[in-house]
Amino acid sequence: ETLMTQSPATLSLSPGERVTLSCRASESISSSLAWYQQKPGQAPRLLIYGASTRATGIPARFSGSGSGTEFTLTISSLQSEDFAVYYCQHYNKWPPITFGQGTRLEIK
Amino acid sequence: QVQLQESGPGLVKASETLSLTCNVSGYFISSGYYWGWIRQPPGKGLEYLGSIYNNGNTYYNPSLMSRVTTSVDTSKNQFSLNLSSVTAADTAIYYCVRHLRGSGGGAFESWGQGTLVTVSS
Repeated sequence: ETLMTQSPATLSLSPGERVTLSCRASESISSSLAWYQQKPGQAPRLLIYGASTRATGIPARFSGSGSGTEFTLTISSLQSEDFAVYYCQHYNKWPPITFGQGTRLEIK
Repeated sequence: QVQLQESGPGLVKASETLSLTCNVSGYFISSGYYWGWIRQPPGKGLEYLGSIYNNGNTYYNPSLMSRVTTSVDTSKNQFSLNLSSVTAADTAIYYCVRHLRGSGGGAFESWGQGTLVTVSS
């Protein structure tokens, strides 16, 4: 099973800052990676798939990069609505499908 | 725009079978896409359970394969999840989802609001 490890577990930042979240796969998953945002009491929302393709309606401040085992999600300028938990997910040769443990982005 | 809505008992006794249904509106299941289930224990991360296509093709999480089954009813435009022999560890919010099409097909583009299922002893 491919394990997904996200770092850091928590980030404390201010609105307007640039942030990069990391996700590492235990083996190569090509570009079969998605990112989700989850706010309290809500279902996750797809942000990025194929490691770098923004889902429909996702603002351009969200960008994804990487391939193989190392991936990043960058938010170019944090807005107040961006403070949430972010999950990466691999789907290489699915199933199986596994998620990272999440990174909590909180307001400093 | 597709909408998904989970329904089913909020409380299940240990050792029994958890059964949930996802009602789909805004899209005919018979027209395509994979449809799946994901769960999230309170305060914890996400776990993939399984998926089904409109022709009945299924994929399951290997760690749960012996307990999970999914089915689809195109006449009612809904799909279902059964999880047998539940324990307290199966207490979670259960989400039904629609996969993306194409090369990103393992990602989940649409989600239901989720339903909390608690397993009682």
